[in-house]
Amino acid sequence: DADVTQTPRNRITKTGKRIMLECSQTKGHDRMYWYRQDPGLGLRLIYYSFDVKDINKGEISDGYSVSRQAQAKFSLSLESAIPNQTALYFCATSTSGSYEQYFGPGTRLTVT
Amino acid sequence: GQNIDQPTEMTATEGAIVQINCTYQTSGFNGLFWYQQHAGEAPTFLSYNVLDGLEEKGRFSSFLSRSKGYSYLLLKELQMKDSASYLCAVRDWRHRGSTLGRLYFGRGTQLTVWP
Repeated sequence: DADVTQTPRNRITKTGKRIMLECSQTKGHDRMYWYRQDPGLGLRLIYYSFDVKDINKGEISDGYSVSRQAQAKFSLSLESAIPNQTALYFCATSTSGSYEQYFGPGTRLTVT
Repeated sequence: GQNIDQPTEMTATEGAIVQINCTYQTSGFNGLFWYQQHAGEAPTFLSYNVLDGLEEKGRFSSFLSRSKGYSYLLLKELQMKDSASYLCAVRDWRHRGSTLGRLYFGRGTQLTVWP
């Protein structure tokens, strides 16, 4: 089984709808991240959490919110989706004692 | 923020050697990473450099010069499966004083390996 899972894997939604993307991990890592990837722009950090009570904005947090429900779960919400939020979204995890980030399989979101 | 530059695209032939360069500017440098990403898939970790010099791992090697703000990823004996995007990322320790701060990614270099 995958250590970092994301649901859904693909989602098409309409402008103005509320969307939640979920990330779960069985690696026991304390740190979790949400990135979005757009063609030609690389990976950009939306939010990150260094433990359950710690949430931090990344470089492109506007229009997004997150919830760290447990150490293993980190959800990303789009309160009112807009077309320029169409992108590939990745969740990642790491520990405070290592340097590598482990990525989930990604969620392809299309906002029409 | 950080300024990370790498070429957008590169091509090479099977069996050849290719070098992908990455330059960066940051005052809180605490490590440089290379990730490989196949189309539609998640990035996977390739290498990590925090001290100057060359780190070798099989067919892949990564070099770092902190004084020049420069790194390269060297891929030897290229195979078709090496066709992928290669992401350079820099860690900045200045986040809240943590020694394991957040990563900043470059835009990636799309490598195409031809038979």
